This record gives sequence, structure tokens and C-alpha cells, in this order.
Amino acid sequence: DTEVTQTPKHLVMGMTNKKSLKCEQHMGHRAMYWYKQKAKKPPELMFVYSYEKLSINESVPSRFSPECPNSSLLNLHLHALQPEDSALYLCASSQGGGGTTDTQYFGPGTRLTVL
Amino acid sequence: GIQVEQSPPDLILQEGANSTLRCNFSDSVNNLQWFHQNPWGQLINLFYIPSGTKQNGRLSATTVATERYSLLYISSSQTTDSGVYFCAVGVWADKLIFGTGTRLQVFP
Repeated sequence: DTEVTQTPKHLVMGMTNKKSLKCEQHMGHRAMYWYKQKAKKPPELMFVYSYEKLSINESVPSRFSPECPNSSLLNLHLHALQPEDSALYLCASSQGGGGTTDTQYFGPGTRLTVL
Repeated sequence: GIQVEQSPPDLILQEGANSTLRCNFSDSVNNLQWFHQNPWGQLINLFYIPSGTKQNGRLSATTVATERYSLLYISSSQTTDSGVYFCAVGVWADKLIFGTGTRLQVFP
């Protein structure tokens, strides 16, 4: 099973709202990722968790707060977002942590609109 | 940082045609993957290919790491092949950098 699930599929929120995106994998992967993708652009890495610890933060604004409660779950908490944060948010996982030799498997994404 | 350029940016084909997509990268890499993003946004991993040649059905890929490029071949294209094809390269510690993408449209 190479499935990564994400909820919700779509999310509309106001600039004062607090919401969370959820990602889950049951492949025993030790690395999990958040990417942001704007329309007609490639995905851009936001965060990497390796063995449940934050290993990469690509200078993401603090209004995005990642959390890895256990090895299967990854959350992205959203607070005081701006309209320019509207995008497709993709979660991915890969077998091992701390290396560059792994295939990444992506979830279907959450399409976020900030009003 | 490393630059990843893909060509062509857009490609329009009739069903049954063959095509070659190219990915050039500006520095040595130890991870290279090809993805297909369907019109609904789902990214599907096609190949993990930091070097050498692989084939999977109508798709095949070749990476020449010493010359810093990779090629994705699609034979006998089908309408379901439509979408955006990305190559992504890894340089260090789990970080993948995606290329600019090739948007493919296949018409019946």
C-alpha cells in the first residue's frame, strides 16, 4: 500500500480563522513532508520531519505551524493566513529519514482558499 | 542553489504519438525522480532514477548523471497521459527540488 491520505480535500477560511490540515500514512515511512504549490508552478518544500523531528524548515512564515504527533501523522496548523497563501498543499512521505535516496509518495492535496 | 529546467514547457500530441521530455540540472545530484501530476493535482511517482535506464510499460526514463540530464520517454500516448510532468532532484538531506514542468495535452 503506497497511499498517503490528506484531509480535508478543500478548505475555505477567513484571515482570522484557525484551521488544520491533516496527513496520514501507514507505510512505516520515517520521513514526512509538506509542500506548497501555487497554480501553474512546481511544488515548493515547506517542512521536513525525519523520525518525528523537524529537520528542515524552508523559512516558512510562523502563521504555518507543523506538528508530527506520531510516525504516521503530520499536521499543518494555519492561523492568520493571507489571501496569497491560497494554494494546493501537498503532503508526502518516504521510507527513511536523513537521506536523499528515497522515493517520495504524495497525497492528493488540500486545496486552500483564504478569503 | 541548483537549477532544474525542463523542456519543452508545453507539448500537444495526438493519441498514439511518441514524445521525449527533458530535464537538465545544474549540479551533481544523488536523487532524481519523475512525477506525473494529473488534472486534479495528484502527484504520481513514475521513476526513481538517479542514474541509468528504467522502463515501466509505455514509459521509460534515462538519466546521464555525468552530463546532468534526464529524459522521459512516452510511447503510444493516451489521453490519460495528459497533465504536468515534473522531474525533481535531491542534493542533500531529504530535500527535493522540482523542475519547471512540462504540460502535456493528448487529444483523441
